[in-house]
Amino acid sequence: ILNVEQSPQSLHVQEGDSTNFTCSFPSSNFYALHWYRWETAKSPEALFVMTLNGDEKKKGRISATLNTKEGYSYLYIKGSQPEDSATYLCAHYNQAGTALIFGKGTTLSVSS
Amino acid sequence: GAGVSQSPRYKVAKRGQDVALRCDPISGHVSLFWYQQALGQGPEFLTYFQNEAQLDKSGLPSDRFFAERPEGSVSTLKIQRTQQEDSAVYLCASSLITRGNEQFFGPGTRLTVL
Repeated sequence: ILNVEQSPQSLHVQEGDSTNFTCSFPSSNFYALHWYRWETAKSPEALFVMTLNGDEKKKGRISATLNTKEGYSYLYIKGSQPEDSATYLCAHYNQAGTALIFGKGTTLSVSS
Repeated sequence: GAGVSQSPRYKVAKRGQDVALRCDPISGHVSLFWYQQALGQGPEFLTYFQNEAQLDKSGLPSDRFFAERPEGSVSTLKIQRTQQEDSAVYLCASSLITRGNEQFFGPGTRLTVL
């Protein structure tokens, strides 16, 4: 994998459903993986910065795991709420450590 | 404290017009980044400053794009002779240091070139 790939591109769930997204990234020269949440007309908000293989991080109902050897990360949302509706972006640093390389994002829509 | 701010939030330009986009990073943040997000794509790196030094401008798509940060704080991204393909959201981010550190983003400037 040369680029950051995210799936699915979009999904629609009902309030209370749990869901998860996938981020795949190059496993060589790994430095750090970032997850951001971006709501329309707002600033992208950092959710997690993950660096170690096997890392698991949690923030409220949202959690993430990291596998640097195979180059993937999962983001989980438990009991989705309408306010979780946003685009979720993952990114990793380039080899020089000077720029984030983003996936296209997963757009989540939660209906009440 | 105040986050990263950007102005204007929205800009409509006629093709061929020059535009200037401003970014005010978080006070004390050494590193500043510009990204471009075209419709349906993720943000793409444009350029990176460490204080006033522009250390990486490999992502600037053409010589019509120019960025500066003369005093190591506020940064301006200038686009000369805008083209329709320049229409995008331009995001600015800052961080305390670089390598692996969390980047704090502004809300972006949405540029539409007619």
